[in-house]
Amino acid sequence: QSALTQPRSVSGSPGQSVTISCTGTSSDVGGYNYVSWYQQHPGKAPKLMIYDVSKRPSGVPDRFSGSKSGNTASLTISGLQAEDEADYYCCSYAGNYIYVFGTGTKVTVL
Amino acid sequence: EVQLVESGGGLVQPGGSLRLSCAASGFTFSGYWMHWVRQAPGKGLVWVSRIHSDGRSTSYADSVKGRFTISRDIAKDTLYLQMNSLRAEDTAVYYCARAAGFGDYDYWGQGTLVTVSS
Repeated sequence: QSALTQPRSVSGSPGQSVTISCTGTSSDVGGYNYVSWYQQHPGKAPKLMIYDVSKRPSGVPDRFSGSKSGNTASLTISGLQAEDEADYYCCSYAGNYIYVFGTGTKVTVL
Repeated sequence: EVQLVESGGGLVQPGGSLRLSCAASGFTFSGYWMHWVRQAPGKGLVWVSRIHSDGRSTSYADSVKGRFTISRDIAKDTLYLQMNSLRAEDTAVYYCARAAGFGDYDYWGQGTLVTVSS
């Protein structure tokens, strides 16, 4: 049950796009289409942004999109806004009703 | 309105026990899988445990297996996490979360802090 690997930080200017990667193995990310992404502001509970690799819950701006290729999932934020500055975590099903989160990525809006 | 409210956190000595509760409201509690996720101070999210909607199937992270027990009381709309043999590395904010589907958590509680220290 090793954590999925995410870059420690990414940054971009307002209006730009940033992409966060989430690398696992064929036993988790690569084996199932159950990858979700969470946004967490300091001192707050996480918020679901993407589920089932690329589906967006109601209320989440369409600037947020998800995808997967092989053992790596990605979250892209297009048209970066100041309020997008937060920590982001991926999460994947890993079989046998076990789940694993990513190491987390801090997004900075320059 | 869906609400999840955790309670039961606090300071406990190494080797001690604690039971966390998560009171659910605003939805049919018996119809959803529920999970516990923790976050050590300044660190990332870590999945801890999951319980099926019927309460009969449970799963745990290796780091807590054999020490923690997840359960639910449908009559009280409450999720529990019994934590035994606590270690310093169990120090974290513990969140309960509702699983909308197969592991996507659409609602979270505000978290309760557990500190294991002598």
